[in-house]
Order: sequence, then C-alpha cells, then structure tokens
Amino acid sequence: QQPVQSPQAVILREGEDAVINCSSSKALYSVHWYRQKHGEAPVFLMILLKGGEQKGHEKISASFNEKKQQSSLYLTASQLSYSGTYFCGTASGGSEKLVFGKGTKLTVNP
Amino acid sequence: DTEVTQTPKHLVMGMTNKKSLKCEQHMGHRAMYWYKQKAKKPPELMFVYSYEKLSINESVPSRFSPECPNSSLLNLHLHALQPEDSALYLCASSPEEAGRETQYFGPGTRLLVL
Repeated sequence: QQPVQSPQAVILREGEDAVINCSSSKALYSVHWYRQKHGEAPVFLMILLKGGEQKGHEKISASFNEKKQQSSLYLTASQLSYSGTYFCGTASGGSEKLVFGKGTKLTVNP
Repeated sequence: DTEVTQTPKHLVMGMTNKKSLKCEQHMGHRAMYWYKQKAKKPPELMFVYSYEKLSINESVPSRFSPECPNSSLLNLHLHALQPEDSALYLCASSPEEAGRETQYFGPGTRLLVL
C-alpha cells in the first residue's frame, strides 16, 4: 500500500528549514528516503528501521514513529542543492519490497 | 563504492524492435531490481532478482523479459513495446533482498518508443 507524503510541494529560501512527512496505514518495518533531481536517478539519503536503527547522511535527520507509522525528514538551513523531489519508500516487513510515495517537490530559491 | 551503472543512457525504438537494457554493479550485492518511472511519478517496481533467481514479477507484460546472467549483471530485454512504455527505467541493487537494506539506484535508461 502506497505511503502518503505531505506536503506535495514546498518552496523555501536558502537557509530556511523544511519538514517532509510520510505516513502509512500499514505497520512499517523500515522507511527509506531518497532525493531525485530532474533527469537523474534517486539518491539514497536515509534509512530508518523498526527498533530505532538509522543509517544515512550526517547532515540529514529523520524520525520514525513506529506507533503512528509515520516518518519525517528534517532539512535544516536549506541550500540550493537541496532542491529536488523527495520520495519515501516503505517496507512492511523485513523481507518486503519497497513501495514509494508520490513524492514531495522541494524548491530552494536564493 | 556505491555505483550502479546502466547502458544505454538513452534509447529510441520502434514498436517492432528488439532491444536490451543493461545494468551492472560490483558491490557484491545479491539483490537487483528493475523499476519503471514515468514523469513526475515515483519509481514502480517491475522485477526483483535475489541470488540470480527471479524473486518478484509485479505482473509485468511479457514484452519485458528480465535476465540475470550472473550476480553482477542484470538485463532487461524489450520486444514489441508500446508508446506507453516510454519511461525512465531504473536499475537498483541492495546487499540482500530485504526491507532493511538500502537500495542504490543506477542513472537509468530513458526509453522512447515510437
């Protein structure tokens, strides 16, 4: 079942912060975050696992609320390079496939 | 090194043509994936190979035929495609086929079917 992302789009000025949310109606085992720039492949940002384990970039932070089946990606002091579409992918079990949300388009302006 | 390579970068083909997409990784990953992505949409899973065996086929039409010759290579054979099959085709790999594993994507092949 496809996770729901919000907002669909956000526009920031450089230096501002943003939060992107991802929620599912199913119990989640893991949440994966990717950023995709126009015409390029998705780039891995962060993975959050049931039980609290996280792996990802130092400058990106995220949370995973297992009880609410929600994850949030925190982008602080945004830079122009943060622009792109952010996808969350969720797996409902340790051996389940990833299902991606519809994406959040982030635009950072000077 | 987290590189997945794909060739060709761009492909234009007619509806009667046969072509193949190639994907390669040298990270020792045992799971490899094909995704299809239409403009402004998320990637949609097509196939998963785990330890060189087809693990998941997401009810993909038979005009798409995957092949995994060895643990580093993944092909997608195309035959008699339709214009609606035009899309970005992404390959990905992960250490194992599991929801706990990070998938690394290749740059994709942009396919146009005329």
